[in-house]
Amino acid sequence: AAGVIQSPRHLIKEKRETATLKCYPIPRHDTVYWYQQGPGQDPQFLISFYEKMQSDKGSIPDRFSAQQFSDYHSELNMSSLELGDSALYFCASSPIGRKGTDTQYFGPGTRLTVL
Amino acid sequence: EDQVTQSPEALRLQEGESSSLNCSYTVSGLRGLFWYRQDPGKGPEFLFTLYSAGEEKEKERLKATLTKKESFLHITAPKPEDSATYLCAVQAMIKAAGNKLTFGGGTRVLVKP
Repeated sequence: AAGVIQSPRHLIKEKRETATLKCYPIPRHDTVYWYQQGPGQDPQFLISFYEKMQSDKGSIPDRFSAQQFSDYHSELNMSSLELGDSALYFCASSPIGRKGTDTQYFGPGTRLTVL
Repeated sequence: EDQVTQSPEALRLQEGESSSLNCSYTVSGLRGLFWYRQDPGKGPEFLFTLYSAGEEKEKERLKATLTKKESFLHITAPKPEDSATYLCAVQAMIKAAGNKLTFGGGTRVLVKP
């Protein structure tokens, strides 16, 4: 079965640089979520999109922005990178399921290292 | 604010030794409670969704149950390949779509042969 695709899988950047992470949802999934997971921590919600519109927003820094495109893929843009941005970034996607519950299926993640 | 607490933080089991993981939660209107399995450096792998108190779901050696305040993940006769971190998450009834998951801290399970 097709899964969520994320690229790149690994990314190394210097402080103050910019990074772009991409997410391709499971086919026929119209909702995309972004999470950040630091070492030894659980995933923290950043932002979500439904039908190309921002749906929910968590603790996403102002330096980060994201969008969902017409083909439902999403990009997370991160500027002025800081050492503390080093983490695993997961994208998840969901269809609208029974009772409207959005069961989220996660991708393999992008490991971002800021030096 | 939604809160999820998992216990224990870590669990060491002998192969075949059954046990249960606990997930306590408070949420303003539960839409769903989710269990995921996560291996180091990988994305969470979906296991179960539970919608209402009294519901139970099973998959191989795993069984998830739900009450109004907590959920349990029972591991029956575990094997070494069941070693992983098990994450519990809740989703509140806020919007029609795109609602976030709030995760607990996870339980790291190690099954020794």
